[in-house]
Amino acid sequence: KNEVEQSPQNLTAQEGEFITINCSYSVGISALHWLQQHPGGGIVSLFMLSSGKKKHGRLIATINIQEKHSSLHITASHPRDSAVYICAVNTGTASKLTFGTGTRLQVTL
Amino acid sequence: NAGVMQNPRHLVRRRGQEARLRCSPVKGHSHVYWYRQLPEEGLKFMVYLQKENIIDESGMPKERFSAEFPKEGPSILRIQQVVRGDSAAYFCASSPSNRPNYGYTFGSGTRLTVV
Repeated sequence: KNEVEQSPQNLTAQEGEFITINCSYSVGISALHWLQQHPGGGIVSLFMLSSGKKKHGRLIATINIQEKHSSLHITASHPRDSAVYICAVNTGTASKLTFGTGTRLQVTL
Repeated sequence: NAGVMQNPRHLVRRRGQEARLRCSPVKGHSHVYWYRQLPEEGLKFMVYLQKENIIDESGMPKERFSAEFPKEGPSILRIQQVVRGDSAAYFCASSPSNRPNYGYTFGSGTRLTVV
C-alpha cells in the first residue's frame, strides 16, 4: 500500500463546476504539499500545509491531521485548470517528498 | 530571479551511452533534490544533496547512477550505460533549507528517452 493515496485517479468536469481532489496518507508527516503538473510541463507548487486551510484565488486546500486527510478544491473550474494534481508529504522530519500517483483533471467547455 | 533551470529539456541517448542532466537551483538555494517520474507512474525520490555533500541517496539505483552538487556550478545527475528502463522524466527541486516549511521550487524536468 502506498504511503500517499489520491482519489480519484481521473476526473472530468464541465467548466464552472466545483472540484474536489482527495489525499490520504498513512504515516506521520511534518508537511503536505499540493503540486500541479501540466502535460509535458514542469511542476508548480500550489500549497504547503501543516494544519488548517489555505486559499489562493480559486484554489482551496485543507488538511485534517487527526484523520490523515487533505483535500484540494477548485471553485468555478476552467479548462486551463486541466492538469495532473499531485499530493506529496514530508514523512516525519524528512526533507525529501513522498508523492501520490496524481489525479488527472480535465475540464471541458 | 530565475527559478530552477534544468537542461536539457529533452535528451535522447542510445543504449550504453551516458546521460548527464543538469540542474541550476534558485539563487541562494543550497539544497537540491532529484526525482524520477517513470511513464504512467508517480514521482519517486532519488537523491538529496547539499553543496558538495550527498545527504540522502536512498532512492538512487545502486549501479550506473551518480549525483553531485559542486561548490560552483549546477547539480549533475549522471547515468552511465543507459538502458531502456531509464527512459523517464527527471525533475530537480531546490530549497533554501532542509526544513519542509520552506517549500520547494521545481524545474521543468529533463525527459530522457533511451533508444
